[in-house]
Amino acid sequence: TQLLEQSPQFLSIQEGENLTVYCNSSSVFSSLQWYRQEPGEGPVLLVTVVTGGEVKKLKRLTFQFGDARKDSSLHITAAQTGDTGLYLCAGERGGGSQGNLIFGKGTKLSVKP
Amino acid sequence: ETGVTQTPRHLVMGMTNKKSLKCEQHLGHNAMYWYKQSAKKPLELMFVYSLEERVENNSVPSRFSPECPNSSHLFLHLHTLQPEDSALYLCASSQEAPAGGGTYEQYFGPGTRLTVT
Repeated sequence: TQLLEQSPQFLSIQEGENLTVYCNSSSVFSSLQWYRQEPGEGPVLLVTVVTGGEVKKLKRLTFQFGDARKDSSLHITAAQTGDTGLYLCAGERGGGSQGNLIFGKGTKLSVKP
Repeated sequence: ETGVTQTPRHLVMGMTNKKSLKCEQHLGHNAMYWYKQSAKKPLELMFVYSLEERVENNSVPSRFSPECPNSSHLFLHLHTLQPEDSALYLCASSQEAPAGGGTYEQYFGPGTRLTVT
């Protein structure tokens, strides 16, 4: 069974601090996606990483896919209160069939003013 | 309307009721999904429809019955649910990747918060 473990499960920081959250698996994924979900809403796609070692930046967010395509990290620089939410990673199993995303349980981030 | 919409946003139902959840996508996608999101559990995929045909059913109890009349609409019919079925039900859509590759970037609706009493 392919599992995605996300850590930490909860994170509470002050505005302006930096943070990193992790998404780890013992399995290889053909791609990995990061979503942010705010209370009462559905997840919103932030980025997809495909190539081992790939780094993508989205303003203050930096996403990295591990060389072996088994893990990923999300680093936020100078966090803002608007970054508060549940961060989910999802790995694509590949194999060509639909619905091949495996989701982690998420990291719940709270950024305090 | 843009993106993926879901109605109702909140639903409270008794165990003997019958209700339906509705999802509509305005993105021109050809695949749609139902997920269940419970506290302390990862998102659980329930059903997948690709080109209006059900392609996956992850051992979901028969009290949940999906329907996909066309590529833009998806329903989840609910009948004699249990309290443990209380959760956020999320609909998503994606564009089916070409054979042999592609990524399944899914676009989610806001969800229906279901409470079974």
